[in-house]
Amino acid sequence: GDSVTQMEGPVTLSEEAFLTINCTYTATGYPSLFWYVQYPGEGLQLLLKATKADDKGSNKGFEATYRKETTSFHLEKGSVQVSDSAVYFCALSDYNQGGKLIFGQGTELSVKP
Amino acid sequence: GAVVSQHPSRVICKSGTSVKIECRSLDFQATTMFWYRQFPKQSLMLMATSNEGSKATYEQGVEKDKFLINHASLTLSTLTVTSAHPEDSSFYICSRLAGVTDTQYFGPGTRLTVL
Repeated sequence: GDSVTQMEGPVTLSEEAFLTINCTYTATGYPSLFWYVQYPGEGLQLLLKATKADDKGSNKGFEATYRKETTSFHLEKGSVQVSDSAVYFCALSDYNQGGKLIFGQGTELSVKP
Repeated sequence: GAVVSQHPSRVICKSGTSVKIECRSLDFQATTMFWYRQFPKQSLMLMATSNEGSKATYEQGVEKDKFLINHASLTLSTLTVTSAHPEDSSFYICSRLAGVTDTQYFGPGTRLTVL
């Protein structure tokens, strides 16, 4: 079945450092890809998405490009802030399967001042 | 603002009792909602898909008699944890689809602690 694999955390960075969180997927169809962010004690918020190959999703300085040839959707940010500290989840959804989301295991990011 | 709410945000109950968690779609009539469970420092596990006016579709391994889902209206889905035990302690999160897209909006979650 479909699956998502993320790099393990926790990831600890200094403020203004460059961030990459790797995400790869396996899917039989043509899924949409997502990054969700979860702040402590809260639900998930959509960070960005891409619906087809070569699409780039971007939001709040974060970017990710849907790479079909490498089945990847890596999250990047050029300069992280302390407020970016959270858990980041990569996920895929195949609309033909009723919109169910399949999540990666999550990557905890901690940004130090 | 929030488009999905959950109530309560936290609940503590005794072993053997039942707990009901409400999930409301605030701005959109949702024929489909989802229920997830999240253990500490782990990912979200889809428990079931809640369908308005019909039975929920449960994922493999989820006990439908233990986790009762009712989707009686287009804005409300409820999850009832019956005869709760300490191993049911978890963070329960609901979501709904954003219209005809496959983006989901999530509720803030409910922390259940069973003593």
